[in-house]
Amino acid sequence: RKEVEQDPGPFNVPEGATVAFNCTYSNSASQSFFWYRQDCRKEPKLLMSVYSSGNEDGRFTAQLNRASQYISLLIRDSKLSDSATYLCAVNRGGGFKTIFGAGTRLFVKA
Amino acid sequence: NAGVTQTPKFQVLKTGQSMTLQCAQDMNHNSMYWYRQDPGMGLRLIYYSASEGTTDKGEVPNGYNVSRLNKREFSLRLESAAPSQTSVYFCASSGSQGNSPLHFGNGTRLTVT
Repeated sequence: RKEVEQDPGPFNVPEGATVAFNCTYSNSASQSFFWYRQDCRKEPKLLMSVYSSGNEDGRFTAQLNRASQYISLLIRDSKLSDSATYLCAVNRGGGFKTIFGAGTRLFVKA
Repeated sequence: NAGVTQTPKFQVLKTGQSMTLQCAQDMNHNSMYWYRQDPGMGLRLIYYSASEGTTDKGEVPNGYNVSRLNKREFSLRLESAAPSQTSVYFCASSGSQGNSPLHFGNGTRLTVT
């Protein structure tokens, strides 16, 4: 079993839709959690960190469930420009190893 | 402000050849990383350097060596390239805390024939 797992998708949604991604992690000592966005043939870029209390940035909401060991990303009012691969990342407690999921591909269509 | 700069952007090697991927960051970050990305596998950590003067193995270190030349630069060397090392390589850096988010370079697309 991979340490960080994501549904690979692809998710095909119309503009304006709400879409949710989940990511599970197996190491209960994990302390830091992130969502990255990666456009085709580009480098990953930080979308948002995920805090224990949940956090929101515009149309994007991230949540953490430590008991069930998963993080989620909700995108509201999807835009064509949201089409990308979304990577979840988990940092093991006390160390420098950030482990990534394989990514979930999102296509937003007009 | 360039952030993280990697060279080269593309490289084709023959099996057995060697090469060094260069990475430099200008964000005064202490920690630097090398990842490889393969279809369906996501990003996998090859080596990292928590601070200048230290390096440690990641998930997939076999076939690679690294050098933390100074605080800014972290290079990745393939001594004898194999087709299994065909991949996209990303260098990244982060702040002092091990749980800080990563800033990535543009990547190096390497093909080994």
